[in-house]
Amino acid sequence: ELKVEQNPLFLSMQEGKNYTIYCNYSTTSDRLYWYRQDPGKSLESLFVLLSNGAVKQEGRLMASLDTKARLSTLHITAAVHDLSATYFCAVDPYNTNAGKSTFGDGTTLTVKP
Amino acid sequence: DAGVTQSPTHLIKTRGQQVTLRCSPKSGHDTVSWYQQALGQGPQFIFQYYEEEERQRGNFPDRFSGHQFPNYSSELNVNALLLGDSALYLCASSSESYEQYFGPGTRLTVT
Repeated sequence: ELKVEQNPLFLSMQEGKNYTIYCNYSTTSDRLYWYRQDPGKSLESLFVLLSNGAVKQEGRLMASLDTKARLSTLHITAAVHDLSATYFCAVDPYNTNAGKSTFGDGTTLTVKP
Repeated sequence: DAGVTQSPTHLIKTRGQQVTLRCSPKSGHDTVSWYQQALGQGPQFIFQYYEEEERQRGNFPDRFSGHQFPNYSSELNVNALLLGDSALYLCASSSESYEQYFGPGTRLTVT
């Protein structure tokens, strides 16, 4: 059974600081997603990582994937208040079609002035 | 392109009742997946429909059933509602590609 673990679950940061969220998963996969969710809203896709060593960046967020270690990281650079949200990683089972994702419990990020 | 749409937005039901939620996929997508997200938790996969058939299913009881229509839209039905079924129900659509797009969700409250 595929399991996905995120840490930390809660993160309080000051504006301008850097931090990393970690996502570990238990079995082989070839597809990992990062999503953002604002309170009461749906999921917004941030990144899709498909291969070992994949790195993607958008603004102050950068995601990477190490399939051998079964680990993905979401790095936040110079945080701003607008990044406050809950971030989920999700993993699809190996060699399957998209859409049977197992999600982590999420990391709730609060960025303070 | 309207993206993934879901209806209704909110719903309040009583224990024991039945509910039907609806989803229209993004244009060009033929696969619909349903997820349940309880408060404070990550979404959990319920099932996936492709070519009007249930292709994959998560660990949910038979009270949860679905349907996909020839135009690829989908319904999620839940029978004999329990208090624990209160959650945000998310629909996601995808095609042959690896990406899935989520709809705005339906907030179900069971009293």
